[in-house]
Amino acid sequence: AQRVTQPEKLLSVFKGAPVELKCNYSYSGSPELFWYVQYSRQRLQLLLRHISRESIKGFTADLNKGETSFHLKKPFAQEEDSAMYYCALIAGNTGKLIFGQGTTLQVKP
Amino acid sequence: EPEVTQTPSHQVTQMGQEVILRCVPISNHLYFYWYRQILGQKVEFLVSFYNNEISEKSEIFDDQFSVERPDGSNFTLKIRSTKLEDSAMYFCASSTGTIKNIQYFGAGTRLSVL
Repeated sequence: AQRVTQPEKLLSVFKGAPVELKCNYSYSGSPELFWYVQYSRQRLQLLLRHISRESIKGFTADLNKGETSFHLKKPFAQEEDSAMYYCALIAGNTGKLIFGQGTTLQVKP
Repeated sequence: EPEVTQTPSHQVTQMGQEVILRCVPISNHLYFYWYRQILGQKVEFLVSFYNNEISEKSEIFDDQFSVERPDGSNFTLKIRSTKLEDSAMYFCASSTGTIKNIQYFGAGTRLSVL
């Protein structure tokens, strides 16, 4: 079964603290994984994808095929990072995205 | 920067009525998608569309749903006879390719079925 799991509905941290948003997936093929972010009153937008191996806004994510995980990390959270974060994978050849349930990150001052 | 545009932002309808949700994808994109998110639940895939035909649809996308690209710029989702459980946020997305390409999302249409 194709599935993305984000176990935490809400993650609350203080500014400057490290952040790790968990994502696990189930997919039979070779997954293409993404993190999308939705800031308050804005549209869903891509944060990063595993294929590009880049750091965006200080966030990184490493694909661990052994643990079937794609956790999102940032060493020092900022208040502007407060948002809803969705982990997603592309399933099949048509580009269908399968999303996790989303994690709300709340960064307190 | 080009954006995917969706109209209306909020649609209220009576159960059993037909609704059409409209989307204008980014102009050089070839692949189009509809997703929905029921309040408090995850974003779910509905349908993908390429070369003027459906390339994949989910179990949710039954005979009550249809999609169309009527004029080369708009991409519409029609629900023929709305049910209460169709109340959700509907997102349109477009991309230049499928497997490795970024999907760009519209701001969504909130559909409320009364």
